[in-house]
Amino acid sequence: AQKVTQAQTEISVVEKEDVTLDCVYETRDTTYYLFWYKQPPSGELVFLIRRNSFDEQNEISGRYSWNFQKSTSSFNFTITASQVVDSAVYFCALRPGGSTLGRLYFGRGTQLTVWP
Amino acid sequence: EPEVTQTPSHQVTQMGQEVILRCVPISNHLYFYWYRQILGQKVEFLVSFYNNEISEKSEIFDDQFSVERPDGSNFTLKIRSTKLEDSAMYFCASRILSGATEAFFGQGTRLTVV
Repeated sequence: AQKVTQAQTEISVVEKEDVTLDCVYETRDTTYYLFWYKQPPSGELVFLIRRNSFDEQNEISGRYSWNFQKSTSSFNFTITASQVVDSAVYFCALRPGGSTLGRLYFGRGTQLTVWP
Repeated sequence: EPEVTQTPSHQVTQMGQEVILRCVPISNHLYFYWYRQILGQKVEFLVSFYNNEISEKSEIFDDQFSVERPDGSNFTLKIRSTKLEDSAMYFCASRILSGATEAFFGQGTRLTVV
């Protein structure tokens, strides 16, 4: 079974705080891909990052960083020094590697609100 | 920067009517998808399409739904007889290659069935 769990439904922080969004996944595929997408209030889905199952190196992009740990099946997303513009729903998604065309399995999303 | 374009952005239709949602994927992409998101819920896969045929569909994608790539640029989702529960945001996505690539999503079409 393929499953993504985002246990945090809503998070509120004050600007400049750091915040971590949790993502736990389940898959029996040995090769798979993990993604984070951002959905701002305007509604579109914006791609943030892709991580391959065979690459556990953590990644930092500006204020964003991602911590991938296969041992705990987690792919957490941290925003450092949050800003009001970070307010959005963030989705973690899994694509099993067994299928070439690979549908995405999304978590339920975490609504992040950053207050000024 | 190339992007996936969806039209219309919002459509209101009466129950039982047919609707066609349109998408123009990124031009050199080969894999196409439709997803939907009922308000406040997670994004759900509907169908994937490659080489002019459906490659996978979910249990949501029943006989009321169909997809088509009528020409080299458009990718459409048709709902034959809409129900109230079809009200959702519908996202089109495209991807360039198999393997380690990401899907890029359009801005969505909000469908409201009344």
